[in-house]
Amino acid sequence: DTAVSQTPKYLVTQMGNDKSIKCEQNLGHDTMYWYKQDSKKFLKIMFSYNNKELIINETVPNRFSPKSPDKAHLNLHINSLELGDSAVYFCASSQDSVFRLNRANYGYTFGSGTRLTVV
Amino acid sequence: LAKTTQPISMDSYEGQEVNITCSHNNIATNDYITWYQQFPSQGPRFIIQGYKTKVTNEVASLFIPADRKSSTLSLPRVSLSDTAVYYCLVSGGGGKLIFGQGTELSVKP
Repeated sequence: DTAVSQTPKYLVTQMGNDKSIKCEQNLGHDTMYWYKQDSKKFLKIMFSYNNKELIINETVPNRFSPKSPDKAHLNLHINSLELGDSAVYFCASSQDSVFRLNRANYGYTFGSGTRLTVV
Repeated sequence: LAKTTQPISMDSYEGQEVNITCSHNNIATNDYITWYQQFPSQGPRFIIQGYKTKVTNEVASLFIPADRKSSTLSLPRVSLSDTAVYYCLVSGGGGKLIFGQGTELSVKP
């Protein structure tokens, strides 16, 4: 069983379109994230949800809207896609305890990524 | 949050020991040091974490000097399958991971 699964794996779309990426985790984790990896391999956090509540919202255009129907799912919807949105998007999850233990980097599980290409 | 500096790339041959050093001069007292590995077309995968001295697991060892301003990830006897990007992270909490540019390790036969 895949612990953190994202769909689709590849997404090619035209500028101006609206698209969604779905993420599901079966680890029982309370916190989920979206990260963006650009062409230079830099990984940067976009959003984080803890028990369906938004807790981290980095400087991301309003065209990006995360939605968490339950703690096992965190979807990413992108409106009016632009060329600069082309990247690999990774979903991740972690145990809620990473906050309490102050060991933020431990216990993260990443999905295999969604490569978004805007043409 | 502490910034990290790593070599951009490293080359090695199968069977060799590889040491990747990361600098984090402004590490805070409550910061842990963590290393992640990323294969092509996959998400990052946790390798090892430490606070001070030495930590060893089945995959790697992590050496942290007393001043904690740097750390060294040691991969014993690498194989071709260890070709990946290795990220050093320093963070004390808050939930988000701050990735640097990583070190691209290339293992050759």
